[in-house]
Amino acid sequence: SQKIEQNSEALNIQEGKTATLTCNYTNYSPAYLQWYRQDPGRGPVFLLLIRENEKEKRKERLKVTFDTTLKQSLFHITASQPADSATYLCALITNAGKSTFGDGTTLTVKP
Amino acid sequence: NAGVTQTPKFQVLKTGQSMTLQCAQDMNHNSMYWYRQDPGMGLRLIYYSASEGTTDKGEVPNGYNVSRLNKREFSLRLESAAPSQTSVYFCASSRTSGKVADTQYFGPGTRLTVL
Repeated sequence: SQKIEQNSEALNIQEGKTATLTCNYTNYSPAYLQWYRQDPGRGPVFLLLIRENEKEKRKERLKVTFDTTLKQSLFHITASQPADSATYLCALITNAGKSTFGDGTTLTVKP
Repeated sequence: NAGVTQTPKFQVLKTGQSMTLQCAQDMNHNSMYWYRQDPGMGLRLIYYSASEGTTDKGEVPNGYNVSRLNKREFSLRLESAAPSQTSVYFCASSRTSGKVADTQYFGPGTRLTVL
């Protein structure tokens, strides 16, 4: 069956360090993958999209990689700040347009 | 430009009651979605509408019905609410028409409790 796993439910890091979040999937052939940020009590907000034929995407302090051989995406936040504390969700979208979200990883950046 | 709006924000129902969750977007998007999110879990797709006049089942459609009233509005109906439907419901929309989804814009959510 199809499965999406995001690394540990919670990730704690020190301010200034790089946070790395993982999204692994099985039995899936996504057309592309998205990363969203969700703050408590709010809806998810789109951050980055990467297509199956792209290896890496960057946006300011954010970087996402996509390895279709390993069936894995890595999401990096460099020079992390306490304001980056939130839950981060990955979503896989197939060519049929169906989206499936992971359970999310809650990141806490400590000053 | 309000984006995606949802009403109500909170709702408490008794088992067996019915209700309709409303969603509207003002971005002229073609596709709209309904998700539910249970504590500590990701979003699960209930139904989606790729374009006005069409609806399709998602991962967890049982117990729900939807109506794409026009391009702006997409409602979710619980005909006979059950405690298992206690959740936070999110509506989303995306620009793309047809089958390939695009960036989704989410509403603020409706927190539903079924007693």
